[in-house]
Amino acid sequence: KQEVTQIPAALSVPEGENLVLNCSFTDSAIYNLQWFRQDPGKGLTSLLLIQSSQREQTSGRLNASLDKSSGRSTLYIAASQPGDSATYLCAVRTGNQFYFGTGTSLTVIP
Amino acid sequence: GAVVSQHPSWVICKSGTSVKIECRSLDFQATTMFWYRQFPKQSLMLMATSNEGSKATYEQGVEKDKFLINHASLTLSTLTVTSAHPEDSSFYICSATTGTSGYGEYFGPGTRLTVT
Repeated sequence: KQEVTQIPAALSVPEGENLVLNCSFTDSAIYNLQWFRQDPGKGLTSLLLIQSSQREQTSGRLNASLDKSSGRSTLYIAASQPGDSATYLCAVRTGNQFYFGTGTSLTVIP
Repeated sequence: GAVVSQHPSWVICKSGTSVKIECRSLDFQATTMFWYRQFPKQSLMLMATSNEGSKATYEQGVEKDKFLINHASLTLSTLTVTSAHPEDSSFYICSATTGTSGYGEYFGPGTRLTVT
């Protein structure tokens, strides 16, 4: 069964800093990988979707990379802002099902 | 982009009653819908996978007689929490996908259920 792990579980950085969130998965036979953002008490917002054939995707200050063979993905956030504070989840799709990571709780300090 | 809605967004019910949550894909046909539950400060946990016109597949540990799932059309799935108890209080999120391999999964905004 696919297992998805995210490191670190929590991260606190000063505003303006660049940061990297990590996601690892045990089964490399994935269709795609998504990064989500979740604000407290709210649903998920999809940030980036990377297909299994792709290496990276970029949207604004966000860049996600995928190394399928090693079972890793990173989410890079440039010039962090207090509004980026949220929980970030990665999820991999294997078959017709998504497996979620444990999440990284990010706090950006003004 | 694809939109998934949930109704209601927030519901309070008394212990022993049943609650129905609707999940709709507004601008695409969802062959598969998923139901997740999230307890405070925990990640999402998949409860069941629902394919249109067939019985839902439940994850281990999820009581199928308690969490009734109906996926009657390509745009609507419902989750009914029967005989709800306080421990069922949680955040329930649905998602939908067309089922094709490269397609992402689109999430509803969630429903917060509080059982008193």
